[in-house]
Amino acid sequence: DSGVTQTPKHLITATGQRVTLRCSPRSGDLSVYWYQQSLDQGLQFLIQYYNGEERAKGNILERFSAQQFPDLHSELNLSSLELGDSALYFCASSVAAQAYGYTFGSGTRLTVV
Amino acid sequence: AQSVTQPDIHITVSEGASLELRCNYSYGATPYLFWYVQSPGQGLQLLLKYFSGDTLVQGIKGFEAEFKRSQSSFNLRKPSVHWSDAAEYFCAVGLLKAAGNKLTFGGGTRVLVKP
Repeated sequence: DSGVTQTPKHLITATGQRVTLRCSPRSGDLSVYWYQQSLDQGLQFLIQYYNGEERAKGNILERFSAQQFPDLHSELNLSSLELGDSALYFCASSVAAQAYGYTFGSGTRLTVV
Repeated sequence: AQSVTQPDIHITVSEGASLELRCNYSYGATPYLFWYVQSPGQGLQLLLKYFSGDTLVQGIKGFEAEFKRSQSSFNLRKPSVHWSDAAEYFCAVGLLKAAGNKLTFGGGTRVLVKP
């Protein structure tokens, strides 16, 4: 157990729907990162939050959004889902905004049908 | 833009044999370098990391990696592979910026271990 908790582990939904993925960072970690892992794109950085504020943005689609709450858990919202959004979504956390490596959760597997 | 290349998509190795996974990066400065391992259905586990200093880095599970600045490489090695080492391995580079901390991952190398 890495200490980073992601729920749900699996999610199956239809095209056009909206889902929310949840991440609880390791105790004491203030920074949360979201990554998408797909067969064709590999591991892609989506977004980083630090202590509630957005810190860095990667290849995140406009249909996707995220936030980090005062208790430091984070949610990734995916809307108007398309078949191509099917992927593993990982959350990671670190103590600082600029940390030497971070710890990953076990991921949420999203299947869009 | 920084990039990471893992030239070998698949590697098959016999149990007890040595393993070397290649990683090359392209970046203007020396980035921070990492190796992660992903077992089937699992998240990514950090094997080792390099920031500065000794270019030979020891990690968990008997892995080591060597940073070679002249070759822009950070290859991962293990002297004797165990069946449990069958997994996918990812090299990653990062650069700490005031704006945040993003890792760029290579495409991964899937390791198969033959009995």
